[in-house]
Amino acid sequence: AQSVTQLDSHVSVSEGTPVLLRCNYSSSYSPSLFWYVQHPNKGLQLLLKYTSAATLVKGINGFEAEFKKSETSFHLTKPSAHMSDAAEYFCVVSASAITGRRALTFGSGTRLQVQP
Amino acid sequence: EPEVTQTPSHQVTQMGQEVILRCVPISNHLYFYWYRQILGQKVEFLVSFYNNEISEKSEIFDDQFSVERPDGSNFTLKIRSTKLEDSAMYFCASSEEITSTDTQYFGPGTRLTVL
Repeated sequence: AQSVTQLDSHVSVSEGTPVLLRCNYSSSYSPSLFWYVQHPNKGLQLLLKYTSAATLVKGINGFEAEFKKSETSFHLTKPSAHMSDAAEYFCVVSASAITGRRALTFGSGTRLQVQP
Repeated sequence: EPEVTQTPSHQVTQMGQEVILRCVPISNHLYFYWYRQILGQKVEFLVSFYNNEISEKSEIFDDQFSVERPDGSNFTLKIRSTKLEDSAMYFCASSEEITSTDTQYFGPGTRLTVL
């Protein structure tokens, strides 16, 4: 069984300041972990994914995430927020690398607001 | 850049009616998925489809639901007799076959409202 907890439902930052979106996971297997972003009226877009290679993963638009097995965390960060980063962010876990099952398990989402 | 597309963007139906939600996956992808998100709840996996058959399904995906690839481009989700609790955003996704950790690419969703 696997699950994801996103610790903040809403995060508000000022433009140009750092972003931290927190995610903890639970998995019976070594997981694959993803962050997806959803802008209004758009599909879910992959930001980055971790699949047991380097623990620091760089994604698109300056985002990165660090896999910490000891803390069962996969927090998403960005050094400097941009207005266009305002969106809903989903942390997602999969056990597919071990089980072959492709179903993704989603967190509840974090809405990021960026203030001018 | 190739995209997954879904139609319609919003569907309103009466309880008990059948609905068909349509998706066009990315053209060289071989795995197809449906997920749903009830308002205020998490995105939930419904079903995956490969080689013209269901490869995985969740407990949500009961006999009321069916999926089909009627031609070389479309992938559909049918709900036979809609219930109020089927109101949700339905997302289609597709991925390549190469490894099980292939990225799933999502469409923009169809909002289904059952009255």
